[in-house]
Amino acid sequence: AQRVTQPEKLLSVFKGAPVELKCNYSYSGSPELFWYVQYSRQRLQLLLRHISRESIKGFTADLNKGETSFHLKKPFAQEEDSAMYYCALRVTQGGSEKLVFGKGTKLTVNP
Amino acid sequence: EAGVAQSPRYKIIEKRQSVAFWCNPISGHATLYWYQQILGQGPKLLIQFQNNGVVDDSQLPKDRFSAERLKGVDSTLKIQPAKLEDSAVYLCASSFRFSGSSQFFGPGTRLTVL
Repeated sequence: AQRVTQPEKLLSVFKGAPVELKCNYSYSGSPELFWYVQYSRQRLQLLLRHISRESIKGFTADLNKGETSFHLKKPFAQEEDSAMYYCALRVTQGGSEKLVFGKGTKLTVNP
Repeated sequence: EAGVAQSPRYKIIEKRQSVAFWCNPISGHATLYWYQQILGQGPKLLIQFQNNGVVDDSQLPKDRFSAERLKGVDSTLKIQPAKLEDSAVYLCASSFRFSGSSQFFGPGTRLTVL
């Protein structure tokens, strides 16, 4: 069965420190992974997708099929990065396509 | 471009009552999704529409939940009767096409069942 695991419910770092939010997935098909972010009192929004291979707000994520991981990284965290982060897997089955989300990691960047 | 709109933003009801949520997707988006997000968990897909047809409702509790998307634009999600475990945020999302497009989310409706 398809599953997304985010092992850390909470993550706290200091401003300027590196940050890594972990995401592991389980899927028999060809994976397409996403990171979504929800800032306080804002809606859920797409941060980045692995097929774009781009850096958004200083964040990057590399798909590692061998380790079935898609960890989100930023070398120098900023206070405005504090938010809930969700890893998501696009799953295709029975003619439909849907996102399967992890439980999320709450990142707090302290001054 | 206006985003996905949802109403109401908050709703408190007693168990066994009925409730309905409304969603207006981004103009031109053919695919519409309803998700349930229980506190401490990620969003879980309830139902997916392609225009006005249902693509996937495998995780919709059909004994109490129903949804429709008349005319392929707005959508309504209904719960009748509500249970305590239905307390959650209900998110609506839309995407331009069925496959390969990014999903854009609405602000959600926070439902509390007492």
